[in-house]
Amino acid sequence: QVQLVQSGAEVRKPGASVKVSCKASGYSFSAHHFHWVRQAPGQRLEWMGIINPSGGSTSYSKKFQGRVTMTTSTSTSTVYMELSSLGSADTAVYYCARAGNTGWQGIASYYDYWGQGTLVTVSS
Amino acid sequence: EIVLTQSPGTLSLSPGERATLSCRASQSLSRSFLAWYQQKVGQAPRLLIYATSSRATGIPDRFSGSGSGTDFTLTISRLEPEDFAVYHCQQYGTSPYTFGQGTKLEIK
Repeated sequence: QVQLVQSGAEVRKPGASVKVSCKASGYSFSAHHFHWVRQAPGQRLEWMGIINPSGGSTSYSKKFQGRVTMTTSTSTSTVYMELSSLGSADTAVYYCARAGNTGWQGIASYYDYWGQGTLVTVSS
Repeated sequence: EIVLTQSPGTLSLSPGERATLSCRASQSLSRSFLAWYQQKVGQAPRLLIYATSSRATGIPDRFSGSGSGTDFTLTISRLEPEDFAVYHCQQYGTSPYTFGQGTKLEIK
């Protein structure tokens, strides 16, 4: 069965960086794009960007451009999201989500499987 | 950026009743690329509906989606106890892909 398992909760000080991992299993890793979505307390879900696990091409939301880096490791079927220059507004649960469509159609796609979420807390 | 506005913010109903949730977009959605997700406390969202009206795998047929242009609806025909949760709509046709603020469906 398809599973996306994310790394554990993190606490960072303002100005630091955090890297969250998402390990996929149960299907062909390269067939589906990954999206990253975050949910700050009391806020709506927010799309951060997308990565193609086959080749590593990315597209980021303008809001996070310059601060976010998404990478992939096909050898371990894992995608990563690193966010730098953290501030208190970055305190949120971060989710990886698999595009429901395969191939290039996964760029504009709904998400059929989600990781369990990783809580990132930014506090001095 | 396309803004999605969901209404009502909170819906109080009893098991067995019909629920109608609305999602309105600030501009017409391309190719009706609208999805609905259910989220329970402490859990990740779960896909219910994609492409406005297609049910995801394993989703009961009491869940249905409809709409076009800027107005979309999620209907739950007869509420079961496990349906009380927060529901999010999402447009995935135009980047940045955006979500509504959510509708909380609570037991009356």
